[in-house]
Amino acid sequence: GEDVEQSLFLSVREGDSSVINCTYTDSSSTYLYWYKQEPGAGLQLLTYIFSNMDMKQDQRLTVLLNKKDKHLSLRIADTQTGDSAIYFCAESGKIYNQGGKLIFGQGTELSVKP
Amino acid sequence: KAGVTQTPRYLIKTRGQQVTLSCSPISGHRSVSWYQQTPGQGLQFLFEYFSETQRNKGNFPGRFSGRQFSNSRSEMNVSTLELGDSALYLCASRGGSDQPQHFGDGTRLSIL
Repeated sequence: GEDVEQSLFLSVREGDSSVINCTYTDSSSTYLYWYKQEPGAGLQLLTYIFSNMDMKQDQRLTVLLNKKDKHLSLRIADTQTGDSAIYFCAESGKIYNQGGKLIFGQGTELSVKP
Repeated sequence: KAGVTQTPRYLIKTRGQQVTLSCSPISGHRSVSWYQQTPGQGLQFLFEYFSETQRNKGNFPGRFSGRQFSNSRSEMNVSTLELGDSALYLCASRGGSDQPQHFGDGTRLSIL
């Protein structure tokens, strides 16, 4: 089946690193995504990784993919109060959906304390 | 380049009415997907349109429908509204099958 799991809450101190974890079930997913949602807003694409990659780095963001364990993580270095938001992991689902149907986790609420 | 635009941002309806939401994709994007976000069910896929054709459909009742126009703009319609249809409806567009989906700010629908 299609399922994506995330822990619901994470609290860190400003300046620390944050690591948000996600597990997924569909091994045929081509891409895996991280989106950020701030209150009253839509989803902002943070980064995404192709399923044949192990790691992707983009400024303060590092994505790690363990295909064997179907585990995805997002590390935010030097976390700032402006990073406080809900973070969603998503997979692109069955290959025949051609990536048009994203399967989302429940979202992880990141709270950054000064 | 302008992002995905959804109108209206807020809408209040009563049970039994119908509603139409609009989505203008990023210029050049031909695929538009719709999602429903609620506190209880999270983000759920409604449907995807590509070149005016529905390409994928989620597990929602037939009261939820959509369409796409030749300029790639899309609308979704919900008929016979129920209290449980209260949600944030998000639209996303993408430029190709290997491209990520970009989301609008959503339409918040409240049913009284």
